[in-house]
Amino acid sequence: GENVEQHPSTLSVQEGDSAVIKCTYSDSASNYFPWYKQELGKGPQLIIDIRSNVGEKKDQRIAVTLNKTAKHFSLHITETQPEDSAVYFCAASRRARSSGSARQLTFGSGTQLTVLP
Amino acid sequence: DAMVIQNPRYQVTQFGKPVTLSCSQTLNHNVMYWYQQKSSQAPKLLFHYYDKDFNNEADTPDNFQSRRPNTSFCFLDIRSPGLGDAAMYLCATSRGVGQGAYEQYFGPGTRLTVT
Repeated sequence: GENVEQHPSTLSVQEGDSAVIKCTYSDSASNYFPWYKQELGKGPQLIIDIRSNVGEKKDQRIAVTLNKTAKHFSLHITETQPEDSAVYFCAASRRARSSGSARQLTFGSGTQLTVLP
Repeated sequence: DAMVIQNPRYQVTQFGKPVTLSCSQTLNHNVMYWYQQKSSQAPKLLFHYYDKDFNNEADTPDNFQSRRPNTSFCFLDIRSPGLGDAAMYLCATSRGVGQGAYEQYFGPGTRLTVT
């Protein structure tokens, strides 16, 4: 099955600096890569995603890059703010084997981002 | 606002006492998922429904069951909770087809405590 590795597990940055989180995946059938932000006691919130036919996507201060050949993708947050502090999960998604149109989502282990004021 | 709702947000049950967690959605999505998330870990998929079709993950214990009586509601039943089943249980939905088919949207979760 799919295996997603995520680094680093913890990341502290000064407010205004950039933060980068990296993930690798193993299953070449994965073709959709979402990133989730999870605040304490809440469910994961989809913040950005990228499909395998695209190399980069940007949404304001957040960007994601994908290298399909190397099977790795990264989240970039610029001009970090204290409210960016949370756990971030990357994920790799492929069609579920058992159900043609549902998606099987495999998560990385998460990165605790702390933005220091 | 269209959303994924989970009730209750916190549930305490006794060892071995059956418990049911509920999820509802106003997104009219075809697919509903149940994930288990233990402390400081990533969410782990238990099973999903595509419409009425139930799909179990190979390593989901038999202790966990699910029901989806209609498009909007999905239930997670834990027949005999053990101490190791204490976790956050997350419900998610996705459209499954068409524009935005891939995105999964999560509810706020139910934190289950087993005493």
